Amino acid sequence: NAGVTQTPKFQVLKTGQSMTLQCAQDMNHNSMYWYRQDPGMGLRLIYYSASEGTTDKGEVPNGYNVSRLNKREFSLRLESAAPSQTSVYFCASSEVHRAVAEAFFGQGTRLTVV
Amino acid sequence: QKEVEQNSGPLSVPEGAIASLNCTYSDRGSQSFFWYRQYSGKSPELIMFIYSNGDKEDGRFTAQLNKASQYVSLLIRDSQPSDSATYLCAVNSGYSTLTFGKGTMLLVSP
Repeated sequence: NAGVTQTPKFQVLKTGQSMTLQCAQDMNHNSMYWYRQDPGMGLRLIYYSASEGTTDKGEVPNGYNVSRLNKREFSLRLESAAPSQTSVYFCASSEVHRAVAEAFFGQGTRLTVV
Repeated sequence: QKEVEQNSGPLSVPEGAIASLNCTYSDRGSQSFFWYRQYSGKSPELIMFIYSNGDKEDGRFTAQLNKASQYVSLLIRDSQPSDSATYLCAVNSGYSTLTFGKGTMLLVSP
């Protein structure tokens, strides 16, 4: 059981380049999320998708777009990368049971923008 | 702005001792509370969750919740060097989104 799979694991971009981070989950969860983690800042929500066909902004959405391709896949796109987007990106998925939403995380993507 | 506060640490305890990790949150409407463990360079992994006032025990771990004080804690009994990690407190206030604290680093010395 793979859980949540992210690709790539590492990426170096030049300022202004674009890229898409891929995420897939095999737990049949309805909700999926993209977080970024920076030193001293904790995990911050970029975008989330409560269910297939819906997406919503989180705490730090500027500079990003997302696509919920189907129930399994949720991608994050950087249209014009900036050094401020250097971070570790985590995809997560969850299912809500009695108002409890346990999130399961992928292994992360370490992105460096130079 | 929903906030979750944790001491950044590091919290240093000797092997075999009880480690106590604390978290406060700002949103009184918060419904469920989570503790994640994150080893350096790895992704967060869920340790346990709690949504009722009181204590919840799972092996060496006990989560404690006091909604009146907006306070949640994690106790780790018989701490082991393998417990050395950053512990993230997370709060579920909306339908399915979690707000995370910045984490507390725990160091358990042999």
